[in-house]
Parts: sequence; structure tokens; C-alpha cells
Amino acid sequence: DTGVSQDPRHKITKRGQNVTFRCDPISEHNRLYWYRQTLGQGPEFLTYFQNEAQLEKSRLLSDRFSAERPKGSFSTLEIQRTEQGDSAMYLCASSSSRGSKNIQYFGAGTRLSVL
Amino acid sequence: KQEVTQIPAALSVPEGENLVLNCSFTDSAIYNLQWFRQDPGKGLTSLLLIQSSQREQTSGRLNASLDKSSGRSTLYIAASQPGDSATYLCAVLVGGTASKLTFGTGTRLQVTL
Repeated sequence: DTGVSQDPRHKITKRGQNVTFRCDPISEHNRLYWYRQTLGQGPEFLTYFQNEAQLEKSRLLSDRFSAERPKGSFSTLEIQRTEQGDSAMYLCASSSSRGSKNIQYFGAGTRLSVL
Repeated sequence: KQEVTQIPAALSVPEGENLVLNCSFTDSAIYNLQWFRQDPGKGLTSLLLIQSSQREQTSGRLNASLDKSSGRSTLYIAASQPGDSATYLCAVLVGGTASKLTFGTGTRLQVTL
């Protein structure tokens, strides 16, 4: 168990560019979540996968955002035509549907800065 | 819509003091409540999880309580240490085991020597 891994840890981009982040969940976890956290705020839910199916999306996830989990393992979050308001920490979490607790384990996050 | 509030927003205490962090939520129909720790620029570390049927959980110097009917939880830290300095977030899970977490804005704790 190596924990939830996110790559890159930091990304600086210019407004209008596209960026893609990757999340590798804990290997036996079938659920994967994306959250966004801005400075001084708690994380806010973006989207959730069970296996390869995207089951829920927040209204925060505009048309410029897309997330995939093609084989039910790692996931990618892409932001097209980035805006300065997209600057935030993007956190990934995973959990298992086995058992009753649904403890979500978080990665270290990807910090995005849009100039 | 579930809203989670944490008070105080920031707290500074001298080393060795016991302290209490507060969390309140508006919808009592929660599945569980978690307390997390976040160090600056880092991800979240789960500290304690309380199921909706439980009233408290303990881990070392940490004790978390839950009063679902009043929509409140507290995190008690005994004998605080400088290494406890971090932001503490509470989050509730609503709508079954597969649902999303709703977070508070956190309490930033500084423990001074």
C-alpha cells in the first residue's frame, strides 16, 4: 500500500493553456474522488468514480473540466483553456466499497497556478 | 444543502494546553464524520472517523465526539505539542457510503513553545 499518488505536485501555466493531472489510487480501492481547495477554504467536491463509471459531477465542474478513469485504476483531470480562477489545489482521494466506513484516503494534491 | 462550520478559524495556544475545536453541520442525516489534519501545502491526513451511530472515537491524545441531533462535533487535543500545529478540518459524509464529503473551512492551530 503506497497511498494515493498525484502527479505533478505543482503546475504553473499561462491562462488559456490546457493542463492534465493524474491520480493513482490505493490499488485495491474501486472509488476515486476529485476535490478542489482554494486558499483558506476546505476542499470542495468535483467528481466521483466507481470503477470506470463517473457517477456524480458537481456544478463546479464546468464544461472546461473533464475527468476520466478509463480502466478503473488511475484517473486524469483535464482543464481546458485555464483561467486564473482555476488556481487551486486539486486533491484526489480513494476508498473501497467493501466494509461500511468509506474512509477516503487523500493524496498530497496538485497545486495549480494560472498566470 | 449541507453546510459545515468550524469555530474558531484560528487558535494559538502554549505547549501543554488542552484544547477543543468545534464543528457544526446543518443536516443531521449524516453517515459519518471525519476529522482531518492538513499541513501547509500538503494533502489531508485522516485523524478520526465517527460513524453516525457512535458518540466518540479516541486515538492517542485525540478524542472526537459527535452529537448528531444537535449537529455538532468536537475534537479534543490533550497536552498539545508544537508538532500539532496544522489546520484541522472536519467533514461529513451524507447520502450513503458512496457519497462525497462536505468540508468545513478548518481551524488553523498554532502551538507555541
